[in-house]
Amino acid sequence: EPEVTQTPSHQVTQMGQEVILRCVPISNHLYFYWYRQILGQKVEFLVSFYNNEISEKSEIFDDQFSVERPDGSNFTLKIRSTKLEDSAMYFCARRAGRGGNTGELFFGEGSRLTVL
Amino acid sequence: GNSVTQMEGPVTLSEEAFLTINCTYTATGYPSLFWYVQYPGEGLQLLLKATKADDKGSNKGFEATYRKETTSFHLEKGSVQVSDSAVYFCALSDRGGANSKLTFGKGITLSVRP
Repeated sequence: EPEVTQTPSHQVTQMGQEVILRCVPISNHLYFYWYRQILGQKVEFLVSFYNNEISEKSEIFDDQFSVERPDGSNFTLKIRSTKLEDSAMYFCARRAGRGGNTGELFFGEGSRLTVL
Repeated sequence: GNSVTQMEGPVTLSEEAFLTINCTYTATGYPSLFWYVQYPGEGLQLLLKATKADDKGSNKGFEATYRKETTSFHLEKGSVQVSDSAVYFCALSDRGGANSKLTFGKGITLSVRP
C-alpha cells in the first residue's frame, strides 16, 4: 500500500494548458514534498511544504508552479502554463514520522506528465 | 551545497553475480544516507538507510555502510537476481528541520540476465 496516493497516474496536455497534480497522504502528516524526474535523468527537488506553507523551493520552482493544500487533505501541484520541458514524472513525498527526523521520505507512485 | 555522485551506468550482470554500485557524497554536517530503488513502471521505494557513521543499512540482501572518512555509501549484494533489475538512486538528507530534503544522485540502471 503506497504511503501517498497520486492522481492522475498519467496526463497528456497541450503546451500552455494548466495542469493540477494531486497527492493524498494515507494518514495525517505535516511535511510534504514534490520532486520531478525528467525521463532518464536524476530526481530533482521542487518544493517542500510544511504546515500549509512553502518552506523551501528550488530554482526550478518558478512562478509557473504553485502548491497548496486546499482542504487540509489533498496536496496539489499546479503548473499554470505548461511547457514542453515540463514533461516528466512528478513525485509527491511525505516525511517519515512526526517526531525525530532521519530525513527519510516516502514517495507516491508518481504522476507522468506529457506536454505536447 | 549537498551533492551525490554515483558511478556511471548502465550495469548489466548475470544472475548470481556480485554487485557493487559506488556512491560518494558531499555534505555539511552529518547527513543521513539512503538507497532508493525504482522498479520498472513504479515509484521510488526506500531500499535501505544509514543515519550515522559506520552504520550498515541492509535489506533484501543489499548492504551499504556509511563511511565518513571516504564520504561513501556503496551498495553491494552478493548474488543478484533477475528481479533486482531496476534503477538505483543514492541520496542524502541533511535532516535540517523544516527545510530537510533529499538530494539524489543520477541513478544507475541495473539489468540482471538469467
